[in-house]
Amino acid sequence: AAGVIQSPRHLIKEKRETATLKCYPIPRHDTVYWYQQGPGQDPQFLISFYEKMQSDKGSIPDRFSAQQFSDYHSELNMSSLELGDSALYFCASSLGGGSEAFFGQGTRLTVV
Amino acid sequence: QQPVQSPQAVILREGEDAVINCSSSKALYSVHWYRQKHGEAPVFLMILLKGGEQKGHDKISASFNEKKQQSSLYLTASQLSYSGTYFCGTDPYGSSNTGKLIFGQGTTLQVKP
Repeated sequence: AAGVIQSPRHLIKEKRETATLKCYPIPRHDTVYWYQQGPGQDPQFLISFYEKMQSDKGSIPDRFSAQQFSDYHSELNMSSLELGDSALYFCASSLGGGSEAFFGQGTRLTVV
Repeated sequence: QQPVQSPQAVILREGEDAVINCSSSKALYSVHWYRQKHGEAPVFLMILLKGGEQKGHDKISASFNEKKQQSSLYLTASQLSYSGTYFCGTDPYGSSNTGKLIFGQGTTLQVKP
């Protein structure tokens, strides 16, 4: 069965650089979520989209932005990267908000 | 707003049982349970909805007490593959479609031979 695909899997950036993370949800899933997980931490909700519209926002810094495109894939754009942005970034998708969400394998971002 | 999980860590022998609890200070619409192995993605285990509906794996059982805003995950006859960190995620919205989940701090389960 098709799963959530994230790219890249690993990313190394320098401070103040920009990064773009991509997420391809499970086909026919209409809701996409982004989570940030630091080492030993629980996943922190960043933002979600339902039918290509932003549906909710969590603790997402102003330096980050995200969107969902017409083909339902989503991108998380992160600018002016800081050391503290180093984390695992997960994308998840579901069929309708509130349904079981399936996570991608994550993008490990390291800011040096 | 973050749900509280207990215990923080559990060590079991194969075949033993465990219960992981999740409680919230806010009224809940649903509770989601996930298991995550180190460096991997959280894997969906079960969702419990207000009103009693449940969806999940046959070998996993859980309960949802709406009045007490609590959920418990029951792991019976544990296997080595059960090892990992278990997160409960709560969706506090009653009618929204956002599906935003607030995760607990996690319960680390280690199953030994």
